[in-house]
Amino acid sequence: KQEVTQIPAALSVPEGENLVLNCSFTDSAIYNLQWFRQDPGKGLTSLLLIQSSQREQTSGRLNASLDKSSGRSTLYIAASQPGDSATYLCAVRPGVDSSYKLIFGSGTRLLVRP
Amino acid sequence: GAGVSQSPSNKVTEKGKDVELRCDPISGHTALYWYRQRLGQGLEFLIYFQGNSAPDKSGLPSDRFSAERTGESVSTLTIQRTQQEDSAVYLCASSSLATRNTEAFFGQGTRLTVV
Repeated sequence: KQEVTQIPAALSVPEGENLVLNCSFTDSAIYNLQWFRQDPGKGLTSLLLIQSSQREQTSGRLNASLDKSSGRSTLYIAASQPGDSATYLCAVRPGVDSSYKLIFGSGTRLLVRP
Repeated sequence: GAGVSQSPSNKVTEKGKDVELRCDPISGHTALYWYRQRLGQGLEFLIYFQGNSAPDKSGLPSDRFSAERTGESVSTLTIQRTQQEDSAVYLCASSSLATRNTEAFFGQGTRLTVV
């Protein structure tokens, strides 16, 4: 059974700092991995999608990497801003699951202090 | 539409009443998912639709929960005889095709409170 873990559960950093959020998964047989952002009381906003054949994806100040063999992904946020404060969720789409559903980690709550 | 739309955004209901939650996926998206998020917790998978069939209902927590979808459009999640433990945010997502390499887009959710 695929399980997704995110560490740390919460992170507080001063504005301008570069930071890394971690995501690990137990079964390397995945089709893709997706990072989301969730603001309090809101839905999920897709940030980056990494296919299983890819090593990384970049969007603006965000860079996500994927090491499928070791079951790890990282989300790197450069020059953090207070507006980056949110919960970040990673989710994997198992390769052997015909329902295509996403399996989520429990998230990292990020606070960027001005 | 431009994104996944859910209604209502908030619903307060009395214990024992039935509720219906609605999801309008992105036009043309054949795959649709329902998830539940309890306060301070992660997302729990409920059900997956491919077109109007539901090949994976494994996440529905009890027979009080059911869902249907009309063609490749609107889906409704129905909770009968609501209980306080049903209080949560119910999130809907859609993807363009039933292939695994497509991005999932989420709605803003319906916050359900059972009093």
